Amino acid sequence: GQQVMQIPQYQHVQEGEDFTTYCNSSTTLSNIQWYKQRPGGHPVFLIQLVKSGEVKKQKRLTFQFGEAKKNSSLHITATQTTDVGTYFCAEPGGATNKLIFGTGTLLAVQP
Amino acid sequence: GAVVSQHPSWVICKSGTSVKIECRSLDFQATTMFWYRQFPKKSLMLMATSNEGSKATYEQGVEKDKFLINHASLTLSTLTVTSAHPEDSSFYICSARGATKKLFFGSGTQLSVL
Repeated sequence: GQQVMQIPQYQHVQEGEDFTTYCNSSTTLSNIQWYKQRPGGHPVFLIQLVKSGEVKKQKRLTFQFGEAKKNSSLHITATQTTDVGTYFCAEPGGATNKLIFGTGTLLAVQP
Repeated sequence: GAVVSQHPSWVICKSGTSVKIECRSLDFQATTMFWYRQFPKKSLMLMATSNEGSKATYEQGVEKDKFLINHASLTLSTLTVTSAHPEDSSFYICSARGATKKLFFGSGTQLSVL
């Protein structure tokens, strides 16, 4: 099925280090959403970006939507062990408003 | 926040039997529900989109007769895995969308077919 590419697939950091995951689409997006899934849990909505070049912050998390609306990034400053999980971007897929998830980035944080 | 209840959380069944998974929106009306499948350490793969009162729209490669989806009310959608086989073993997650357009996920169902 259709998927959005995310890099890296996996990132291991020391607590306190920064982390960034990138999401790339082959098409121009109307919006992009980000989700976090803790190990053994279900995805939880983090944010939605709509405007070209938009930047939104949630405490230590910074989300950015590319100028061309084809890519997005999530940056975490000074990671904590509570940040562990898989981060997915998700894009709307066509007229039915279905949500297509990216391949995900698994973040491991070592204390 | 909105709550989506998915039941059961896990199920073990024999090959050839059918399994029904329920997804309920507890405090909002879900006009659309989505069913996803997730393999270990992999992303969520959309299986089908379910709209209340109409037939589900299946993604390419998903067998309609194997994965029966029913969305009989604005608060309930069910996924039935018919004649399950070991390759159907997976984590199945539903999500529901209401008037706010936000997507809320159920807690998932781990299916193991022996």
